[in-house]
Amino acid sequence: QVQLQESGGGVVQPGRSLRLSCAASGFTLSTYNMYWVRQAPGTGLEWVAVISYDGNNQYYADSVKGRFTISRDNSKNTLYLEMDSLRAEDTAVYYCARIRIAMSTGDAYDIWGQGTMVTVSP
Amino acid sequence: DIQMTQSPSTLSASVGDRVTITCRASQSISRSLAWYQQKPGKAPKLLIYRASSLESGVPSRFSGSGSGTEFTLTISNLQPDDFATYYCQQYNTYPWTFGQGTKVEIK
Repeated sequence: QVQLQESGGGVVQPGRSLRLSCAASGFTLSTYNMYWVRQAPGTGLEWVAVISYDGNNQYYADSVKGRFTISRDNSKNTLYLEMDSLRAEDTAVYYCARIRIAMSTGDAYDIWGQGTMVTVSP
Repeated sequence: DIQMTQSPSTLSASVGDRVTITCRASQSISRSLAWYQQKPGKAPKLLIYRASSLESGVPSRFSGSGSGTEFTLTISNLQPDDFATYYCQQYNTYPWTFGQGTKVEIK
């Protein structure tokens, strides 16, 4: 069964760091561009970052650029999001998501994780 | 950034109704548009990709249309399981952006 499972969320103070993980199963992670998408409480969805299937290219939303780093370990079938200098406005459920077509650079997200909650609070 | 604007924000409907949600892009995105359904506490679920292609396993009462800047999601014969929030998303240009959502409520 094709699945994504996030972990690593929690409560963290402003200015601190947190690393999220996303374990993939049922498919070969190394052939898909992968994404992080977040949703602040009671609000809509926001694309956060993307990493190419080979790990050579990453793009970030302006709101996280310079503070967040997306990476992957294809040997472990795992995606990561390193979040530094966290702010209150980063409080959200963080989802990892897979694009529909292997090695495609533009398509819809067909597989989502269940999400992990990050709360940034003093 | 490409702005995606959905209307209405909230829609009240009854079981059996036909409902239509509109999504407008601030610039042309060709047909690079997806629709998702989200229920409280759950991850979004893909319904439609490439503006009008139905994702595998999604009931045929869901349909999408449009290209360029104007898109619609139609649910014919609304079922109890369809009461949820719906989002459009463009994947033509980074940053990929979502509409603000349309909540379909029971009338």
